[in-house]
Amino acid sequence: GENVEQHPSTLSVQEGDSAVIKCTYSDSASNYFPWYKQELGKRPQLIIDIRSNVGEKKDQRIAVTLNKTAKHFSLHITETQPEDSAVYFCAASKRDSSYKLIFGSGTRLLVRP
Amino acid sequence: SAVISQKPSRDICQRGTSLTIQCQVDSQVTMMFWYRQQPGQSLTLIATANQGSEATYESGFVIDKFPISRPNLTFSTLTVSNMSPEDSSIYLCSAEGNTEAFFGQGTRLTVV
Repeated sequence: GENVEQHPSTLSVQEGDSAVIKCTYSDSASNYFPWYKQELGKRPQLIIDIRSNVGEKKDQRIAVTLNKTAKHFSLHITETQPEDSAVYFCAASKRDSSYKLIFGSGTRLLVRP
Repeated sequence: SAVISQKPSRDICQRGTSLTIQCQVDSQVTMMFWYRQQPGQSLTLIATANQGSEATYESGFVIDKFPISRPNLTFSTLTVSNMSPEDSSIYLCSAEGNTEAFFGQGTRLTVV
């Protein structure tokens, strides 16, 4: 089955700097890669996603890149703000069949004011 | 976007007892899922709740321990049976919308 690895497990950046989180997946049939932000005690919230027919997607300060050949995808947050501090999870799924999400281990991001 | 109401939000239970968690979606959805999240850890898929048929369980999870119901396209329950302290965790339901998955607010379960 699918296996998703995520790095780093913790990331501390200065406010205004960029943050990059990387994930790799094992199943070449996976075609949908969302990123979730989870604040303490809250439910995961989708922040951006990408499908396998696209190499990059941007939404304001957030971007995701996908390399299908290497089977890895990354989350990029620019101009970080203290409210970006949270745990971020990547995931992979086959959106045209099982739809189940397999999550990475998570990255705890701390943005220092 | 779908809104999911999950209850209870938290509970403290005696070992050996069972707890049933409910999830109600405000629209019809084909796919619903149940996850477990240990404190400080990632989300682990327990099972896919199929409407009109038995749930499909992931490796390491069995129906006798985690029976699931899916009576219609807006509702599902997960029961944690014969609980032990190792079952203490957050349990989340998820529904697959047209473009993304949505999560319930989670049930924080403590077994004493």
